[in-house]
Amino acid sequence: EVKLQQSGDELVRPGASVKISCKASGYTFTNYAMYWVKQSPGQGLEWIGTIIPLIDTTSYNQKFKGKATLTADKSSNTAYMELSRLTSEDSAVYYCARAGNYGYTPFDYWGQGVMVTVSS
Amino acid sequence: DIQMTQSPPSLSASLGDKVTITCQTSQNINKYIAWYQQKPGKAPRLLIGFTSRLVSGIPSRFSGSGSGRDYSFSISNVESEDIASYYCLQYDNSPPTFGGGTKLELK
Repeated sequence: EVKLQQSGDELVRPGASVKISCKASGYTFTNYAMYWVKQSPGQGLEWIGTIIPLIDTTSYNQKFKGKATLTADKSSNTAYMELSRLTSEDSAVYYCARAGNYGYTPFDYWGQGVMVTVSS
Repeated sequence: DIQMTQSPPSLSASLGDKVTITCQTSQNINKYIAWYQQKPGKAPRLLIGFTSRLVSGIPSRFSGSGSGRDYSFSISNVESEDIASYYCLQYDNSPPTFGGGTKLELK
């Protein structure tokens, strides 16, 4: 069974950073890319970036360059997203989702989401 | 980036109704569109890929069609468990982009 298990909800101070994990199981980690998606409260879905663990390549939505950093650990089948210099605008639910390495496949499995709350 | 214009933003239906949601894209996406269902507090769930391919285990009352820049998603015989928000996603071009969503409510 394919599963993407994300880390727990976070309460963080403005200006701080947070690192979210997404542990994959039930498939070969390097056969798929991992996408990260933001959902602000009551809002729609927004692509943040993608990492292809097979070749350690990342791509980012221009809006999130400098804000998000994606990494992957092939030894533990885990993808990570670090968000830096947090502000209230970063309070949202963040999802990881997998799709094929070479594009042209939809996001088929999603993590359960991590709610990040930025507050002093 | 490809813009996705999804409509309507909200929809009210009675049990047993047929409802249709549309997504118009800013350029041809060659049928690379998917449809997702999202319930409150849950992750989106893939229902349909490549315009009309129903994911295994998804009821046949869900369907999709379209080509070029115009796509639609329908639910025939709406059931109470279908009350949710629905999103389209284009994955023809990077970056992948989502429609704004449609909230389906019971009349």
